[in-house]
Parts: sequence; C-alpha cells; structure tokens
Amino acid sequence: GAVVSQHPSWVICKSGTSVKIECRSLDFQATTMFWYRQFPKQSLMLMATSNEGSKATYEQGVEKDKFLINHASLTLSTLTVTSAHPEDSSFYICSARSRLAKNIQYFGAGTRLSVL
Amino acid sequence: GESVGLHLPTLSVQEGDNSIINCAYSNSASDYFIWYKQESGKGPQFIIDIRSNMDKRQGQRVTVLLNKTVKHLSLQIAATQPGDSAVYFCAENIVSGGGADGLTFGKGTHLIIQP
Repeated sequence: GAVVSQHPSWVICKSGTSVKIECRSLDFQATTMFWYRQFPKQSLMLMATSNEGSKATYEQGVEKDKFLINHASLTLSTLTVTSAHPEDSSFYICSARSRLAKNIQYFGAGTRLSVL
Repeated sequence: GESVGLHLPTLSVQEGDNSIINCAYSNSASDYFIWYKQESGKGPQFIIDIRSNMDKRQGQRVTVLLNKTVKHLSLQIAATQPGDSAVYFCAENIVSGGGADGLTFGKGTHLIIQP
C-alpha cells in the first residue's frame, strides 16, 4: 500500500523559533500533498494544498507567511511554522495523493508540535 | 464547509456486535466520500471509499452506505473487534473535472468496543 512518512513525529520548541516538518511519499509519486491541522478532540482542518513545482494554495484564515510550504519534488513537501507561538501547538498531518489513484489521500502519522 | 466539534460523539458497542457510524455531509456538489479510522496520536487510515454514482459499497467487514437525497453517509462495521476502537471520520471531496481539493472532514465519532 501507499506509504506516507512524516518527520518528526514530535517536536518541542521555544516561542519565536521556526520548525520544519517533512512529508514524504515513500513508494509513489504525489503530484499533490495536503497539510491539515488537528486540535485535541477535534476534526482535521485543511490548511493548504501543495502542488509540485508551484506555489501552495492556502485555506481562508491560514497565514501563508507563517506556514511556509515547499513542494520541491514529487515525493517531498515541507511545512515550516515560522516564529512559532504557543497557540500554534497542534497536531499537523500531511496527506499525499497518488498520480495513479488520484482520489485517495494517504496520510502521514502526524507531527505533534508543542511550543513553550 | 468545515466541521469543527468540541466534543466527539461516542458510540459504545459490545465486542462481536455490529456497529453503525453516521455522518452528515455538507456539500451537495461532493461526489466522492471516504471513511478514515484514526487511532490516538496517529494519522488517519483509509478504510473505504464510495463515489456518488453508487449507494453502497462493501469491503472486508465494512460497508458504506450513501444517501445523496439527505446527504447522509454511514459506515457499518460487522463483528466488531477490540482493534476497531478508534475515532472514525467521514470525508467529502469533489473529484469530477480533475479537481485537486483537500478533503473536508466530518466531526468524527469515537467508537469504543467493550469486552
């Protein structure tokens, strides 16, 4: 099956620092990757859509300068949380859509971000 | 639209019983639906999907039913096992025309399997 690897799984950082999260499709090429955020006991909310070789598309209310997305290849997208603050603490999850099975999104294991 | 819930609904069933998890979706233009299972601290895991031109689809121990008239989706899990305990989310999408949108997730239901 399709495997999406997300790294790191857990990160603690000081307020004001930046954190980079990587999302890799291990056994398939992903033309599109998505970044979601999930607060405790809540559903996933789409933050942005990342297309290989082009700028990301952000959902309303998501600051593009704060959440930098780079989709440099068909197997890698990164999310950088810049100048992180405690309210950015959340579970960040990426998904990737295969070029072959275009409808199904496969999810990474998520990254737990805690900002002190 | 987006679904945000402060408290997840909970469904508690006895091991071995069948369970039915319901979901109301919001966008009448959605033509593709997926059920995901999420265990604590992990990412969502694909269970089963269905397109809008179908009203029922079966997998291994799971069945998804779609009622487009009332915008309702359900997931039936047969002979539940302890490993089925998780939060289940429905998600909707528009895929016709080559759309590349992210998924819109429902609120989620916490399924608890009791021994």
